[in-house]
Amino acid sequence: DADVTQTPRNRITKTGKRIMLECSQTKGHDRMYWYRQDPGLGLRLIYYSFDVKDINKGEISDGYSVSRQAQAKFSLSLESAIPNQTALYFCATMGVGQPQHFGDGTRLSIL
Amino acid sequence: AQSVAQPEDQVNVAEGNPLTVKCTYSVSGNPYLFWYVQYPNRGLQFLLKYITGDNLVKGSYGFEAEFNKSQTSFHLKKPSALVSDSALYFCAVRDLGSSNTGKLIFGQGTTLQVKP
Repeated sequence: DADVTQTPRNRITKTGKRIMLECSQTKGHDRMYWYRQDPGLGLRLIYYSFDVKDINKGEISDGYSVSRQAQAKFSLSLESAIPNQTALYFCATMGVGQPQHFGDGTRLSIL
Repeated sequence: AQSVAQPEDQVNVAEGNPLTVKCTYSVSGNPYLFWYVQYPNRGLQFLLKYITGDNLVKGSYGFEAEFNKSQTSFHLKKPSALVSDSALYFCAVRDLGSSNTGKLIFGQGTTLQVKP
């Protein structure tokens, strides 16, 4: 079983729709991160969380929101999707003194 | 501001030849540097890291990286490339800004193509 699970793996939706991407982990890590990947730009941080009461904006948080429902779950929402949010989205976790560990990603297309 | 640059979009190498994927960084203070690999339809997998100590760091799958402080570089290397090494490689630096958040700043990625 994957340590970091992202659902859905693929999603096509329309402009203006609300979308939620989910991430769950079995690693027991407190720290969780959401990134988006765009060709030629690498990965950019959207939000990160140290625990359920500690959520922080990353460098590109506009248009996104997150919810940390439990230590193991960290969801990313697009309240009103727009085409330039089409990207590959990754969730990652991190334990103390360890490198970040990534899920397999969600490919999101907004028409 | 801290940053990472990977100057090559793509690197082509023949199987069995040595490979180098380049990375340069800009940080204030001592850098924490990482290499990750991404295979198609998969997430990023950790290869190796440099925190302190020996400038030559060994990692997974036979990869190694050389930290060069004077050139602010952290190039990824492998003595003998395999076709299965073909993937997208990312260099990253840990953001040591206002607090120890663990945030990573990524380069733009380099596609490695190993031909038989």
